[in-house]
Amino acid sequence: DIVMTQSPLSLPVTPGEPASISCRSNQSLQHRSGDNYLDWYLQKPGQSPQLLIYLASNRASGVPDRFSGSGSGTDFTLRISRVEAEDVGVYYCMQALQAPLTFGGGTKVEIK
Amino acid sequence: QITLKESGPTLVRPTQTLTLTCTFSGFSLTTTGVGVGWIRQPPGKALEWIALIYWDDDKRFSPSLKSRLTITKDTSKNQVVLTMTNVDPVDTATYYCAQWLGHEFDPWGQGILVTVSS
Repeated sequence: DIVMTQSPLSLPVTPGEPASISCRSNQSLQHRSGDNYLDWYLQKPGQSPQLLIYLASNRASGVPDRFSGSGSGTDFTLRISRVEAEDVGVYYCMQALQAPLTFGGGTKVEIK
Repeated sequence: QITLKESGPTLVRPTQTLTLTCTFSGFSLTTTGVGVGWIRQPPGKALEWIALIYWDDDKRFSPSLKSRLTITKDTSKNQVVLTMTNVDPVDTATYYCAQWLGHEFDPWGQGILVTVSS
């Protein structure tokens, strides 16, 4: 199984400031197509997870452009250019390259 | 608009069989590349993928749960049914279904909290 490791576990943020979350896999997530099969999801308090980023760097429909994803191979980053209060919740990365699909342990983002 | 909704029992006794239904609208499970997956989340814990069924009836399961799981689809009813046998209190979780688009889950259902307890 591919193991996904996120850091930090908790991230206190100041509104208007940038934030970033790291996600590492123990094997490359690069598909033969060249795409990296890595997704980012946000689970806001009391809600279902929602897709933010797919294929490492593609924003899902309706996702604000302050969210961006980058990385390749085994090392990925989710960045929020200017955090807003509505961005609080738990962020998960997930590898979509092969079954079993696996998630990171989550990063809880909260306002300072 | 694509929606998915999970239904089933909210309380199950240990050793019983759990049957969950995902009823969806706005897409078809006959469309090439599309699938429906199940993901669960124990209270206060992280997400765990458990099963996926594809448009062509191919199926994938979490290795740790494979022996206990069955997944089927009814394209005429727009439903996917997940069955888990011999449940245990550790199976207590919120169970989500979600549309699979080849490399991501989008959107997700609202989830159903299933408690396994005697």
